[in-house]
Amino acid sequence: QKEVEQNSGPLSVPEGAIASLNCTYSDRVSQSFFWYRQYSGKSPELIMSIYSNGDKEDGRFTAQLNKASQYVSLLIRDSQPSDSATYLCAALQAGNMLTFGGGTRLMVKP
Amino acid sequence: SQTIHQWPATLVQPVGSPLSLECTVEGTSNPNLYWYRQAAGRGLQLLFYSVGIGQISSEVPQNLSASRPQDRQFILSSKKLLLSDSGFYLCAWSVGPYEQYFGPGTRLTVT
Repeated sequence: QKEVEQNSGPLSVPEGAIASLNCTYSDRVSQSFFWYRQYSGKSPELIMSIYSNGDKEDGRFTAQLNKASQYVSLLIRDSQPSDSATYLCAALQAGNMLTFGGGTRLMVKP
Repeated sequence: SQTIHQWPATLVQPVGSPLSLECTVEGTSNPNLYWYRQAAGRGLQLLFYSVGIGQISSEVPQNLSASRPQDRQFILSSKKLLLSDSGFYLCAWSVGPYEQYFGPGTRLTVT
């Protein structure tokens, strides 16, 4: 099992809907998680970090961490076409290193 | 505020030629620095990381090397490029075991 796994998608949602992106992780990573957004041809941009169990909200974004089930989610409310990108889930490993999932491509259709 | 620069933005090099990519960070001291590679349609692969001047750790065996001559400067090098070295090279920084922030990247094509 990979340390961090994501469905590659694409995940297609209509404009204005809630997009739900999921990530599962193994016991080999720590309990610190990060969501990045990467537009085609650009570098990853940090959206949110989450360190404790539960929900963390920032604007239209909500990160959810469930340690018992070993998954992390990112919800995007009121999805816009500009949210269309690849979303990368990352987990912190020993030595301050991040391990990334393969990313989920999100398509928001007008 | 902190800023990270990478150059060049794009590079086309023949097989067997040398490589030097540079990354500099402004607005923070003693950052952790990282080099990643993202091959076309693939995930991010950590190549090197550094917690201080002259301290480099390599994550994968390859014909690449990294150096950190100054606190906020990180250089990725190769003596002879391979076709498989093509990809999107990303430098990132962090303060301790927290969020990593990426530079704009260098797109390298080896022909």
